Amino acid sequence: QKEVEQDPGPLSVPEGAIVSLNCTYSNSAFQYFMWYRQYSRKGPELLMYTYSSGNKEDGRFTAQVDKSSKYISLFIRDSQPSDSATYLCAMNPDTGFQKLVFGTGTRLLVSP
Amino acid sequence: EAGVAQSPRYKIIEKRQSVAFWCNPISGHATLYWYQQILGQGPKLLIQFQNNGVVDDSQLPKDRFSAERLKGVDSTLKIQPAKLEDSAVYLCASSLTREQFFGPGTRLTVL
Repeated sequence: QKEVEQDPGPLSVPEGAIVSLNCTYSNSAFQYFMWYRQYSRKGPELLMYTYSSGNKEDGRFTAQVDKSSKYISLFIRDSQPSDSATYLCAMNPDTGFQKLVFGTGTRLLVSP
Repeated sequence: EAGVAQSPRYKIIEKRQSVAFWCNPISGHATLYWYQQILGQGPKLLIQFQNNGVVDDSQLPKDRFSAERLKGVDSTLKIQPAKLEDSAVYLCASSLTREQFFGPGTRLTVL
């Protein structure tokens, strides 16, 4: 079993839709949870960063962490064609600068 | 602020040849990471440096991969000899705190 599971997609939605992207994980030591966006032939860029459980909102993006279920989500409101990319969840424990463990990434396609 | 720089952007080699990648992190970032991203997968950490010391190289195939970080700034990752399964994007990242900033990557194709 992988430490972090993520549906690879692709997920196709029309412009303006609400998008839900999810990851599950098995390591209860994970405390920091990140979402990265990766455009084709580019490096990942950090979108959202949360610590422990709860919600965090930044513009059209909302990140949720449910540690009891070992489940994290990223919601994108009013999706735009420019949101078309691969979204990677990543996480690490709360002990020093531990390595990030990534999901496989979900490819999102937003059509005009 | 300049981002993480990597070169070359693309490299095609034959199996059993050697190859080297270069990374220049964001100025002042003490921690530097090399990740391998195989097509359709998330990045996997190969090695992590804190200044010029190795913090984690548990997933680095040491029989063929080597990395160094000169004077705690630039870093090089070398593969010798390359295998077909080394075809991937090699990403360099750096961080000052927990947030990691990634470079554009080097796409390696081994024929």
